[in-house]
Amino acid sequence: SAVISQKPSRDICQRGTSLTIQCQVDSQVTMMFWYRQQPGQSLTLIATANQGSEATYESGFVIDKFPISRPNLTFSTLTVSNMSPEDSSIYLCSVGRGSTDTQYFGPGTRLTVL
Amino acid sequence: ILNVEQSPQSLHVQEGDSTNFTCSFPSSNFYALHWYRWETAKSPEALFVMTLNGDEKKKGRISATLNTKEGYSYLYIKGSQPEDSATYLCALDRGSTLGRLYFGRGTQLTVWP
Repeated sequence: SAVISQKPSRDICQRGTSLTIQCQVDSQVTMMFWYRQQPGQSLTLIATANQGSEATYESGFVIDKFPISRPNLTFSTLTVSNMSPEDSSIYLCSVGRGSTDTQYFGPGTRLTVL
Repeated sequence: ILNVEQSPQSLHVQEGDSTNFTCSFPSSNFYALHWYRWETAKSPEALFVMTLNGDEKKKGRISATLNTKEGYSYLYIKGSQPEDSATYLCALDRGSTLGRLYFGRGTQLTVWP
């Protein structure tokens, strides 16, 4: 199994500002994933982050809005830029061990944008 | 857009009751079906990864079945306890992109003592 921690656990931010969310894994992993859950919606993949290369973004998500860093095999950050109230969500990072293995998730960062 | 549907949206039961939820998904390009249990402020906890049509998995009082031909999975909880209160998520894995799961919106279970 993988133990994943995230910082901060929650935050309240003003519109127009940016927030960087940190994700730390207790073991080295090739790929890390960032998901979000908007209120009343399903968990949705934002992007996949590989160490040493640019993140791959899903349709509807762009690097300028959600820049991602992946400096090593145990750590990643997601920045939510120029926030608006629509960015209020729970953001989770995730790692996996292959398609049929379990996908593990962090505890999430609950973001409220005023 | 790939629709994974879960029903009911919420469920309230008494302690000791048995309950079940449904997850329906497109049956094409199926690779695996994941079930998670998610309590507020905690990490989603993986319950089952189901890959074979007709598969049935069990973990304590919780079990799940899978029908890939018709595109549904059931999650059963026998003798519900207050600590079972959580949101239960299912997620479809099509195998095309590692780590890319398509989630339903979840079933929120509340078990009253």
